[in-house]
Amino acid sequence: DQQVKQNSPSLSVQEGRISILNCDYTNSMFDYFLWYKKYPAEGPTFLISISSIKDKNEDGRFTVFLNKSAKHLSLHIVPSQPGDSAVYFCAAIGSNYQLIWGAGTKLIIKP
Amino acid sequence: SQTIHQWPATLVQPVGSPLSLECTVEGTSNPNLYWYRQAAGRGLQLLFYSVGIGQISSEVPQNLSASRPQDRQFILSSKKLLLSDSGFYLCAWSVKNTEAFFGQGTRLTVV
Repeated sequence: DQQVKQNSPSLSVQEGRISILNCDYTNSMFDYFLWYKKYPAEGPTFLISISSIKDKNEDGRFTVFLNKSAKHLSLHIVPSQPGDSAVYFCAAIGSNYQLIWGAGTKLIIKP
Repeated sequence: SQTIHQWPATLVQPVGSPLSLECTVEGTSNPNLYWYRQAAGRGLQLLFYSVGIGQISSEVPQNLSASRPQDRQFILSSKKLLLSDSGFYLCAWSVKNTEAFFGQGTRLTVV
């Protein structure tokens, strides 16, 4: 039973446009969410997080939106750049400080 | 600043041989430590986590074990590797209920 779901395995976006990566969760007890970016053969790097008491958090080109009623969060990247091509993981912090991960979405930025 | 070291970066081992992957963290005390595995086309699977020296929690039954002999050292081991143990292994640390920071990973190929 996947508690964090990223239903799009891949996403292709034109350079300069907005990339929107989506994530759904099932456990209403999650109160902290994170997005990570991962290049092949490297460890994931932390991008941005959001607490459940907020509905938006912005950091440069990255904005995360949280809709608690829908149990949905999204990552917006504006404008998209070639270096943004990577796999993006959504994660939630569960009990015992464990991270519950989605399966990832591969973002491809086309020139 | 905090850093995490994980080694080796790549490893090719025969079936039935032992395994020892090491991870050390610098610049923080009493971190939570994690071992993850990423299988091809899948998200990150939590294998073990530790909230203190000698305290190990296993998330999935398998051929692997973990130990934390020191506060900032986390070791992933196996007595006899299986072909199915091949994958990309990641060590991570966090401080309580915050984002986790990852090492560069180890690509393990069991032949």
